[in-house]
Amino acid sequence: QLQLQESGPGLVKPSETLSLTCTVSGGSISSNSYYWGWIRQPPERGLEWIGNIYYSGSTYYNPSLNSRVTISIDTSKSQFSLRLSSVTAADTAVYYCARHDFTRNWWSFFDPWGQGTLVTVSS
Amino acid sequence: DIVMTQSPDSLAVSLGERATINCKSSQSVLYSSNKKNYLVWYQQKPGQPPKLLIDFASTRESGVPDRFSGSGSGTDFTLTISSLQAEDVAVYYCQQYYDTPWTFGQGTKVEIK
Repeated sequence: QLQLQESGPGLVKPSETLSLTCTVSGGSISSNSYYWGWIRQPPERGLEWIGNIYYSGSTYYNPSLNSRVTISIDTSKSQFSLRLSSVTAADTAVYYCARHDFTRNWWSFFDPWGQGTLVTVSS
Repeated sequence: DIVMTQSPDSLAVSLGERATINCKSSQSVLYSSNKKNYLVWYQQKPGQPPKLLIDFASTRESGVPDRFSGSGSGTDFTLTISSLQAEDVAVYYCQQYYDTPWTFGQGTKVEIK
């Protein structure tokens, strides 16, 4: 059973860079049928897609965050990572990693998801 | 961006009664070549990540109780819980995958009356 687990600092100072890693277990991160994504959820608010990465390193980002986001992948460690620069309080959220289905040669649903990790931006 | 708007924001339903959640997209998510609606529904219980319930607007995922059903096409969609159970208390989200950026509705909170 595929599982994803987020890790990283729970507190980041304003203007600094948020860094998170997602470790994938129980399946291959190098499958050509899936992308790997980051989604966030600010407190008491809805879900926002941040970006995706393929095992080859190909990336797609939400234009609303594009200039601040970098997603990378390390297939040897079965991990992919998120970096979000110049953070503000508005970036405070639970950050989820998830598998993004690409089995129909188009992206569809996110499943499964990691448990999520709360990142607070505060001095 | 395709904007997904859910209604209501919250609803309280008695146990055993029907709950209906609506989702409207700012443009059609019906893919013409295969006549499929590129929309999914998730259920998020407190302290948990979202769980996939329904794909293609109306196809239940394996293991999802049949009291959950999805309907609609084009821009207007509905998630129905035919007989609300205590374990269905959650926030429900729709998401479109017709076009990037992939976008979600703001969520509908379902509670017990």
